[in-house]
Amino acid sequence: DAGITQSPRHKVTETGTPVTLRCHQTENHRYMYWYRQDPGHGLRLIHYSYGVKDTDKGEVSDGYSVSRSKTEDFLLTLESATSSQTSVYFCAIRVGGGADTQYFGPGTRLTVL
Amino acid sequence: RKEVEQDPGPFNVPEGATVAFNCTYSNSASQSFFWYRQDCRKEPKLLMSVYSSGNEDGRFTAQLNRASQYISLLIRDSKLSDSATYLCVVAGGTASKLTFGTGTRLQVTL
Repeated sequence: DAGITQSPRHKVTETGTPVTLRCHQTENHRYMYWYRQDPGHGLRLIHYSYGVKDTDKGEVSDGYSVSRSKTEDFLLTLESATSSQTSVYFCAIRVGGGADTQYFGPGTRLTVL
Repeated sequence: RKEVEQDPGPFNVPEGATVAFNCTYSNSASQSFFWYRQDCRKEPKLLMSVYSSGNEDGRFTAQLNRASQYISLLIRDSKLSDSATYLCVVAGGTASKLTFGTGTRLQVTL
């Protein structure tokens, strides 16, 4: 157990509404990541953070923003949700000094109608 | 061409069988390599890292061939509980970004 929680675990929303997903870690790891997983695609990186208020874009960042105001929380916001953002969203933390090993939270299943 | 390619399967094998999965990657600058396991509707979980010298963890053996940009996973004496999707993952860059394959599904049957 890597001490990562995500909330909510499931959400159904309508097109055009804002949505915020939360990732919380208990172990003060510096790096945190948001991925989405869709059929036919591997997990794809949306945004990542390398410290408080330090974030950068990943492969599929359009339509998403993030914020990290404290070490333990990394928020992913869909400013105006679209049906193409229906997906399973996973948060991850990087563990270890020089290693790239990442551990994942349980995921949030988001449906945009 | 995808950055990490895997045969999606499914691989259907009887209990006790040996099964091998392969994966190729396109970025020769990749620095770290992993196999993750993902059960249905669950998060990916690290199975093992992969080293150039090859490494073994119980019934699982992973190999890396940097020259051919090829990674493999061998599972011996398959158990029903090994049924899952196996994700090939490569990492690199300053932020240790992971690039995932789409996964190979394994179904172990009685």
